[in-house]
Amino acid sequence: AQSVTQLGSHVSVSEGALVLLRCNYSSSVPPYLFWYVQYPNQGLQLLLKYTSAATLVKGINGFEAEFKKSETSFHLTKPSAHMSDAAEYFCAVTKPGNTPLVFGKGTRLSVIA
Amino acid sequence: DGGITQSPKYLFRKEGQNVTLSCEQNLNHDAMYWYRQDPGQGLRLIYYSQIVNDFQKGDIAEGYSVSREKKESFPLTVTSAQKNPTAFYLCASSTGTGSSYEQYFGPGTRLTVT
Repeated sequence: AQSVTQLGSHVSVSEGALVLLRCNYSSSVPPYLFWYVQYPNQGLQLLLKYTSAATLVKGINGFEAEFKKSETSFHLTKPSAHMSDAAEYFCAVTKPGNTPLVFGKGTRLSVIA
Repeated sequence: DGGITQSPKYLFRKEGQNVTLSCEQNLNHDAMYWYRQDPGQGLRLIYYSQIVNDFQKGDIAEGYSVSREKKESFPLTVTSAQKNPTAFYLCASSTGTGSSYEQYFGPGTRLTVT
């Protein structure tokens, strides 16, 4: 079975500071990993995905994530936080094919001016 | 524009009533999914369908039913048997081919049952 653990339900950073949102996964097969962002009362928008190509993945809005198999991690980073980054972020895992995503519980990011 | 439509955005019902949430996609995706979102719980899978006329239960299917008569449509019925139906419901679709595999999400329906 696959699972995702997101460390920290709430992360607060100052504007301009580094953003680091942690995600660890468990999977019996090579995983496909995703980060999604959700703004209040909206659906989820894909930030970036890892599908067994390059281990460092760049996404939209300046975010990136690195797949580390030895650590079973897929942490999301952004060098400099912007006020517009305040949202909820979800890490998810799946396997090839039309199989459902398994989501972490989410991390709410607050950005302080 | 291609995408996923969920209607309505907000839905209010009295306890004991069944209610159907709409989900339509024009992305030509084979697979569709329903998730339920509660604060602090992440997204939990209710049902999914990989092809027309076939669907599978997810982790929290009790009190819900679905149909998949057309590729474009995957309505979810919240029955009176669902003990705590108030939640935010998200529909998604995917094609699962090539290097894709990500799911595309609709804007969600917030259901309130009183």
